[in-house]
Amino acid sequence: DTAVSQTPKYLVTQMGNDKSIKCEQNLGHDTMYWYKQDSKKFLKIMFSYNNKELIINETVPNRFSPKSPDKAHLNLHINSLELGDSAVYFCASSSRVAAFFGQGTRLTVV
Amino acid sequence: GENVEQHPSTLSVQEGDSAVIKCTYSDSASNYFPWYKQELGKRPQLIIDIRSNVGEKKDQRIAVTLNKTAKHFSLHITETQPEDSAVYFCAASKRGFNKFYFGSGTKLNVKP
Repeated sequence: DTAVSQTPKYLVTQMGNDKSIKCEQNLGHDTMYWYKQDSKKFLKIMFSYNNKELIINETVPNRFSPKSPDKAHLNLHINSLELGDSAVYFCASSSRVAAFFGQGTRLTVV
Repeated sequence: GENVEQHPSTLSVQEGDSAVIKCTYSDSASNYFPWYKQELGKRPQLIIDIRSNVGEKKDQRIAVTLNKTAKHFSLHITETQPEDSAVYFCAASKRGFNKFYFGSGTKLNVKP
């Protein structure tokens, strides 16, 4: 009974393609996030949504567009993928305390 | 904004020894400090947290301490075991602000 689940787990794609990662949480949390973890393991916040509304948008290229159809889902769409986008992307959710993470999506752009 | 610094970046200890990881934060309004453990290829998982109205919290072999005046907090692992080997992240947030600032991580290696 996974609390925060994201798909796919692995994604290999060519430069220039457009891809999406989906995330769903069944914890009833109001807030969801996307984090990027690079090869040095640094966790950097990209977006934060509260009750379907964007509240944090860090310095992220506008090729990245999050979409939250409801408060249990936060998807990430990436246009015109670049080599530097290769990373592990984590979805997370929280209810004003600790964040709980999905299993991650390892994106490899070739 | 908040800036969280974490040291050391790598830590190697012998099984049974203690390990200490330290973090500092810059925003005195931060009042919630979780710690995460990330095993290789897996998601970060919450292992312990502390709120600013508490100076210390313990859960079996792990403990966290918080010094609000100095704006630093630490994770202590006693009697380390090989399964403690992982990357550990500290984080700071202001409750209700929907944003967690993470430290850069500490790779802990426990040698059997």
